[in-house]
Amino acid sequence: EVKLVQSGAEVKKPGESLKISCKGSGFSFSSYWIGWVRQMSGKGLEWMGIIYPGDSDTRYSPSFQGQVTISADKSIYTAYLQWSSLKASDSAMYYCAFPLLVPDVFDIWGQGTKVTVSS
Amino acid sequence: EIVMTQSPATLSMSPGERATLSCRASQTVSSNLAWYQQKPGQAPRLLIYGASTRATGVPARFSGSGSGTEFTLTISSLQSEDFAVYYCQQYNNWPPWTFGQGTKVEIK
Repeated sequence: EVKLVQSGAEVKKPGESLKISCKGSGFSFSSYWIGWVRQMSGKGLEWMGIIYPGDSDTRYSPSFQGQVTISADKSIYTAYLQWSSLKASDSAMYYCAFPLLVPDVFDIWGQGTKVTVSS
Repeated sequence: EIVMTQSPATLSMSPGERATLSCRASQTVSSNLAWYQQKPGQAPRLLIYGASTRATGVPARFSGSGSGTEFTLTISSLQSEDFAVYYCQQYNNWPPWTFGQGTKVEIK
């Protein structure tokens, strides 16, 4: 079965660092772009960035450039999204996804990781 | 950045009715337009790509049309499981791909 499984919910304080993960199975992880999408509570969806695990080519949405770091370890079929210093405004649900059947069409999604940043 | 604008924000419909959702792009995206459905507590689900191609397993009551800057998602006869939020998304220009703000289809 093709799937993405994300790490569990996180509760952090402002200023702390965080790295969440997205593990793929059932497909050739190195051969597909993996994307990250943010959804703030009650709001819409926003693309944050994408990574090609095969060569770690990474592209960020301008809104998220410099705010987060996207990385991947192809040997363990895992992509990551990390923050060096969290803010309350980083509280959101984060999804990873990839385009299995058609390039740039993201049809396989992880279950989401909820991040709560509160003092 | 291409801005995607969906209308209406909320659609109040009864089961069995036909629902028509609109999506407009601020500049042409050709046919590089996808529609997603999202239910509470769930990840988005791909419904339509290429403006009009149904994704695997999507019922035939869902159809998409349009090209350039104007797009439509039609649900021919609403079923109980169709009440959800629908997002359009362009994948013509990166960075970044962009979503519309969503249309909520609710039970009247």
